[in-house]
Amino acid sequence: QKEVEQNSGPLSVPEGAIASLNCTYSDRGSQSFFWYRQYSGKSPELIMSIYSNGDKEDGRFTAQLNKASQYVSLLIRDSQPSDSATYLCAVIHGSTGGFKTIFGAGTRLFVKA
Amino acid sequence: DTGVSQDPRHKITKRGQNVTFRCDPISEHNRLYWYRQTLGQGPEFLTYFQNEAQLEKSRLLSDRFSAERPKGSFSTLEIQRTEQGDSAMYLCASSLGGLQETQYFGPGTRLLVL
Repeated sequence: QKEVEQNSGPLSVPEGAIASLNCTYSDRGSQSFFWYRQYSGKSPELIMSIYSNGDKEDGRFTAQLNKASQYVSLLIRDSQPSDSATYLCAVIHGSTGGFKTIFGAGTRLFVKA
Repeated sequence: DTGVSQDPRHKITKRGQNVTFRCDPISEHNRLYWYRQTLGQGPEFLTYFQNEAQLEKSRLLSDRFSAERPKGSFSTLEIQRTEQGDSAMYLCASSLGGLQETQYFGPGTRLLVL
């Protein structure tokens, strides 16, 4: 089992629709959760971070965390063609002497105009 | 430009050669991370530094890989005796530290081993 799992997609949604991206993680001790967006050939950029159970909203983006189910999701409302990218889920958990960030393989999102 | 910078942006080398990459983090960031990313995969953690101390190193990192961060500023990642399987994008990121941290990524160095 991979430490962080995402559906690779591609997920295709029409412009203006809601895109729903999901991520599960295996380490119950994970403490911090992030969503990054990565355009083709570019480096990842942070979209959202979430640390406690529940929802966190930022503009068109909502992150949802359920630690009991080891599940984190990202909703993108009013999807735009410019949202077409790969979305990476990242999880941080602590270990002796330090911390490790584990990324999922990413979900490719296509927003059709 | 006050973001994370990496040099070179592209590197082509022959199998068996050594290569070294440099990362300059955001100036006030005390944490620096190295990742490797191949096509269709997420960034794979290699190692990270808190100031000049290397605190974590992936078990996947072979003895051919070494990283340094002298004086807690810039960092170098060296790959000795490169293999074709080392071909990937090498990403550097920096952060202020703490669990609730945002990592800011550099543009990456794309390595091709022939």
